[in-house]
Amino acid sequence: GQNIDQPTEMTATEGAIVQINCTYQTSGFNGLFWYQQHAGEAPTFLSYNVLDGLEEKGRFSSFLSRSKGYSYLLLKELQMKDSASYLCAASADRGSTLGRLYFGRGTQLTVWP
Amino acid sequence: GAGVSQTPSNKVTEKGKYVELRCDPISGHTALYWYRQSLGQGPEFLIYFQGTGAADDSGLPNDRFFAVRPEGSVSTLKIQRTERGDSAVYLCASSLSGSDTDTQYFGPGTRLTVL
Repeated sequence: GQNIDQPTEMTATEGAIVQINCTYQTSGFNGLFWYQQHAGEAPTFLSYNVLDGLEEKGRFSSFLSRSKGYSYLLLKELQMKDSASYLCAASADRGSTLGRLYFGRGTQLTVWP
Repeated sequence: GAGVSQTPSNKVTEKGKYVELRCDPISGHTALYWYRQSLGQGPEFLIYFQGTGAADDSGLPNDRFFAVRPEGSVSTLKIQRTERGDSAVYLCASSLSGSDTDTQYFGPGTRLTVL
C-alpha cells in the first residue's frame, strides 16, 4: 500500500502563491496525481507527474522528486474560487494494484480576500 | 456521455437494509473504479473493473459489499445489511484503459446515510 501525507489545512490571500506538499512511500510507486475537490463535488484532475521535475499548467504547477518521495502543488495568483480541498494521490507500479489510486486525506485551502 | 454519472445522488436507508448504487462511466472507458470517501478523508479504493471483470476487489471492506459490471459499461455497487459505519460518499471513476498513467475521471458521488 501507500502512506500519503499532506497538511490538513492551509490559508492564503487572494493574489498570493501557495505550495501544498505531499510525501509518499517510494516502494512500489509509479506516478503522482493532484486533484481539486470543492465541497460536495467530485474530485477533478489537475496534474500528473511520473518523471522528476516541474510540470507547469497555467496558474498551477506540480513538482515531483522520485528519490525523495516528495511532490508539491504550486498555485499562483490565487483566486477565491481556488478555495477547495487538494488531494494528492499515488499510483502503484505493478501487479494487481495497477490502476488503483492511493489518496491522501486532502489539504483544505482557504483563500481570503 | 459527457462525464461519469451516478445515481442516486443521495440515499437514506435504515440499518439492515439493502442498497444499490449505480455508476455510468464515460463512453468508451474500459476501466471503472469505486471509491468511498468519509468526511474529512481522501477517497479510499474499493474495487476496480477492467471490462466486465473485477481486476482488483481487495478494497471491499467485507462480504456485505459486492459490485458488478455485466456488460462492461454500467456498474452497480451493492451493499447488504447496511450498517451506520457504511455512511459515506461513494465515488465512481472511469479511465480509458486502466493503465497506471491514465487519468481517472470521477462522478459526483452518491451520499449514503444509514440511520
